[in-house]
Amino acid sequence: DAKTTQPPSMDCAEGRAANLPCNHSTISGNEYVYWYRQIHSQGPQYIIHGLKNNETNEMASLIITEDRKSSTLILPHATLRDTAVYYCIVRPPTGNQFYFGTGTSLTVIP
Amino acid sequence: KAGVTQTPRYLIKTRGQQVTLSCSPISGHRSVSWYQQTPGQGLQFLFEYFSETQRNKGNFPGRFSGRQFSNSRSEMNVSTLELGDSALYLCASSGARPGRNTEAFFGQGTRLTVV
Repeated sequence: DAKTTQPPSMDCAEGRAANLPCNHSTISGNEYVYWYRQIHSQGPQYIIHGLKNNETNEMASLIITEDRKSSTLILPHATLRDTAVYYCIVRPPTGNQFYFGTGTSLTVIP
Repeated sequence: KAGVTQTPRYLIKTRGQQVTLSCSPISGHRSVSWYQQTPGQGLQFLFEYFSETQRNKGNFPGRFSGRQFSNSRSEMNVSTLELGDSALYLCASSGARPGRNTEAFFGQGTRLTVV
């Protein structure tokens, strides 16, 4: 079952940073935080994941609070192609199962 | 390298029939998991296979079953189709070994419509 809470929708101006919050207050010490996005019923696309340290890759940055009860996905310069539903997922340490919540529908506005 | 391939992309079936969907994972990946996506329930985990063994299972009735072959290709089967089984079925493959965390890559899905 999903263990995350996300706002249902957000807007962001093109070129600005998009900051997507996620609460996961019941996360266990060995559970990872993953972010995926889904564009119009295509397969979800992997963005980034982390355990306790902040992470950055070519797509985004992931900031996890020290108590690990929440995190923020940052898209540094949002483009129109970033319009999608973003899912924050707490993943068990073993197995390849993801329990998706309802996600945040991000709309990037020109 | 090639991504996750799901076939067919679209399918129309009649209530009471059964259906088999196929998923070919990324080469070298041994874990395949399946998901159902509907407007009402969102994305829900069905089951996961690793090295031909079901490793995890979601909360779905026994009409939903799956298997994995020695080449890691997987199939899922839905018997006695109901209208509510209309959904986008997604599979994901991962190269993670048990106890290791890494990303999973999703296919484009099979759109099943039950009439």
